[in-house]
Amino acid sequence: DTEVTQTPKHLVMGMTNKKSLKCEQHMGHRAMYWYKQKAKKPPELMFVYSYEKLSINESVPSRFSPECPNSSLLNLHLHALQPEDSALYLCASSQDRGELARNTGELFFGEGSRLTVL
Amino acid sequence: GENVEQHPSTLSVQEGDSAVIKCTYSDSASNYFPWYKQELGKRPQLIIDIRSNVGEKKDQRIAVTLNKTAKHFSLHITETQPEDSAVYFCAASIRTNAGKSTFGDGTTLTVKP
Repeated sequence: DTEVTQTPKHLVMGMTNKKSLKCEQHMGHRAMYWYKQKAKKPPELMFVYSYEKLSINESVPSRFSPECPNSSLLNLHLHALQPEDSALYLCASSQDRGELARNTGELFFGEGSRLTVL
Repeated sequence: GENVEQHPSTLSVQEGDSAVIKCTYSDSASNYFPWYKQELGKRPQLIIDIRSNVGEKKDQRIAVTLNKTAKHFSLHITETQPEDSAVYFCAASIRTNAGKSTFGDGTTLTVKP
């Protein structure tokens, strides 16, 4: 299984709603990521989890709250978002530095959750 | 930090022609250079990558070259087909820290039949 699965595929929410994006992988990867992507722009790193611990927060506003319940799951909790937060949210995973011999460096992306904030 | 510049931003070729996309990077510590293809509405997918200990890598119609001294790397697509039309992103990172990949701004490739 070389898939990263994201749900939901599409989400429309108001600025006062609370919602969550979910991501799952079963490749044994120990690093998982959230990226934000605007149309025709590169993915922009938001958070990195390494061995289920938050290792990087790229100064993301607190209205985005990541969670890594276990090594296969990654969530992104959304609250009080703004219309400018509308984007494609991509989850990715990779082998982490702890597995150097097998670490290809490749990022495996999910299909993304397209978020629209009204 | 790392800075990656990618050119051109758009590229239009006739089917069967070759396409070349170029990237430069700034951090000499970077040692892993992947290329991702993203079709409209789809996820970015790795199409080829190169590590700093080799100068060229080829996979069928796709090749990547790396010049460490000049800090630039290029994607070459030969015999282009309409299905090659997509946005292509280059990236640079330290291989063991792929999550800190720095992406180029992307090249929109259009292959006209």
